[in-house]
Amino acid sequence: DIQMTQSPSSLSASVGDRVTITCRASQSIASYLHWYQQKPREAPKLLIYAASSLQSGVPSRFSGSGSGTDFTLTISSLQPEDFATYYCQQNFNTPPTFGQGTKVEIK
Amino acid sequence: QLQLQESGPGLVKPSETLSLTCTVSGGSISSSGFYWGWIRQPPGKGLEWIGSIYYSGNTYYNSSLKSRVTISVDTSKNHFSLRLTSVTAADTAVYYCARGSFCSGGNCRFDPWGQGTLVTVSS
Repeated sequence: DIQMTQSPSSLSASVGDRVTITCRASQSIASYLHWYQQKPREAPKLLIYAASSLQSGVPSRFSGSGSGTDFTLTISSLQPEDFATYYCQQNFNTPPTFGQGTKVEIK
Repeated sequence: QLQLQESGPGLVKPSETLSLTCTVSGGSISSSGFYWGWIRQPPGKGLEWIGSIYYSGNTYYNSSLKSRVTISVDTSKNHFSLRLTSVTAADTAVYYCARGSFCSGGNCRFDPWGQGTLVTVSS
């Protein structure tokens, strides 16, 4: 199975901050990388697909980049509703696997 | 707007079978190109893919669970189901159903997701 490793596991940030989360795959996955946001007691929500494409309805302050093994999710200006846990997921190989999550907390 | 809703018992005894159904509304489960998946999340932990099914009945399972999992689809009822046998406390989790797209061998990206249902394995 392809292992997905996110860093950091958690971070504290203030409203308006620029936030970057990284995701590293244990082998090359081209651009088969997606990002989800999960708020407490809610289901994950797709934010970014194919490494850098913004899902419909997602604010443009979210962006993704990378290919191969190293990927980033960037929030350009953190908003109160962005405090959540973020997961990356690969679907290059079966089984699809997720990172362990990055919790973004209020500073 | 496509919506998914999980249903089933919230409590299952050890060694018994967990059974859940995901009802799809606002769209057809027979839509070409989409798979339908189950993903679980133990309390306070990360996400684990269980398996995916196509409306034709083609299924793909996580090898870590394959011997205990069956996913089936009922296109007449626009729903799909999960059965997990011989459960233990380690199977306690929130179980989500989701639509998979841009899939290869059931390996998809997932959107949207159902709200999730907590299944506790306990006597």
